[in-house]
Order: sequence, then C-alpha cells, then structure tokens
Amino acid sequence: DVVMTQSPLSLPVTLGQPASISCRSSQSLVHSGGNTYLNWFLQRPGQSPRRLIYQVSNWDSGVPDRFSGSGSGTDFTLKISRVEAEDVGVYYCLQHTHWPYTFGQGTKLEI
Amino acid sequence: EVQLVESGGGLVQPGGSLRLSCVASGFTFGNYWVNWVRQAPGRGLEWVAEIGPDGGTKNYVDSIKGRFTISRDNAKQSVFLVMTSLRDDDTAVYYCATLHRNINWAHWGQGTLVTVSS
Repeated sequence: DVVMTQSPLSLPVTLGQPASISCRSSQSLVHSGGNTYLNWFLQRPGQSPRRLIYQVSNWDSGVPDRFSGSGSGTDFTLKISRVEAEDVGVYYCLQHTHWPYTFGQGTKLEI
Repeated sequence: EVQLVESGGGLVQPGGSLRLSCVASGFTFGNYWVNWVRQAPGRGLEWVAEIGPDGGTKNYVDSIKGRFTISRDNAKQSVFLVMTSLRDDDTAVYYCATLHRNINWAHWGQGTLVTVSS
C-alpha cells in the first residue's frame, strides 16, 4: 500500500500568517493516464471531512483562494496564505491513484 | 442540494453483524462511485470500500476483505455496507462519501457510529 507521510503533525499558527503542510508518498502518484490524484481535506472539530483540493492544485467549490496546492510525483504541499479562525482543524492528504486509497496521518492546525 | 444520510450504526458484540445504509438525494446517484470511509475514535481516516456506478466494480481494503460487503440500489438511491465478524478494531464512525477524482465533486454524509464491544 502507498504510505502517505504528513509533516508537521501539529501546526500552531498566528491569525493572518501563512501556513504550510507537507505530504510525501512512498511511490509516485502519477496515474497511468497521466493525472496525479492527490487531494487535500479539512476536518473541522465535530464535522465530516471536506475536500479542499483535488488533482494536486484544483479547488473544490467554495474553497477560498487563500488555500493552494502544489507538488508532483511524491512530494506535495498545501499552503494557506493567511490563516483565518475558520481554518482550525485537521488537514489530511489522500492519494486517489493506487488502490487502496490512503490518507496521511493528519496535521492539526491550531491558533 | 446534495445530501448523503447514513444510518444503521450502533453497539454490537464482537463477532456480530450490522448493515449500514446511505441514502442519497439531490443528484443523479447512478452516475457516481460511492465510498465508505471510517474513522476510529480520535484517529485518522481510512478508506475501506468503494463501488462503481452500476455496482459491477467493488474494491475493499485488506482489513475488511471477506467480512464486509458493499452494494447499491440505484432505484432507491442507496448504498449499503454489510459488516460481519465484527472486531473491536472495527469501532469507528463510518462515513458515506462520493468523491470524483477528475472533477469538482466531493460530498460526505454526517457519519454513523459503530461500536464493537462486549
């Protein structure tokens, strides 16, 4: 199975400051069709997860543009340009290329 | 509005069985893959099973293979997860989700809690 490793696991941030989360995979996430299926999710306290980013850098509906995804192959990053209070929660990366699809351990962002 | 509503969770003894249901509304259900993702208390997310739009393709993570069965009834806009031979480590919130990897389409239910304990 593909192992997804996130860092850091805990991310204290200051409101208005940037934040960055890394996600590394144990093998390339480039699909045979050429796309790279790396997603980012946010799970706010007491809520279901919500997908923010798909295919490395594409926003899902309603996602603020202060979130951005980048990377390729096995190395990916989620960046928040200016953290807001509503961004608190646990962030997960997910590889959606190789079955079984696997999540990272989660990064807890707190103010 | 897209909605996914899970039901069927509860307390069950080790070795017991449960049937989870997920009823969808607000979209053309038969066009999309549907998945079950679980989260043990205080832990991360685990994708456990998926089923294709016509029900012909099913995939399971190794830890549940042979014990859980995913199925769907497109006429009733529903997906099911039949869980047998339940173990303590199956205790989790089970989420129903539909996530398309190529387009802006990602929706989750609120989850249903399964507790396996004697």
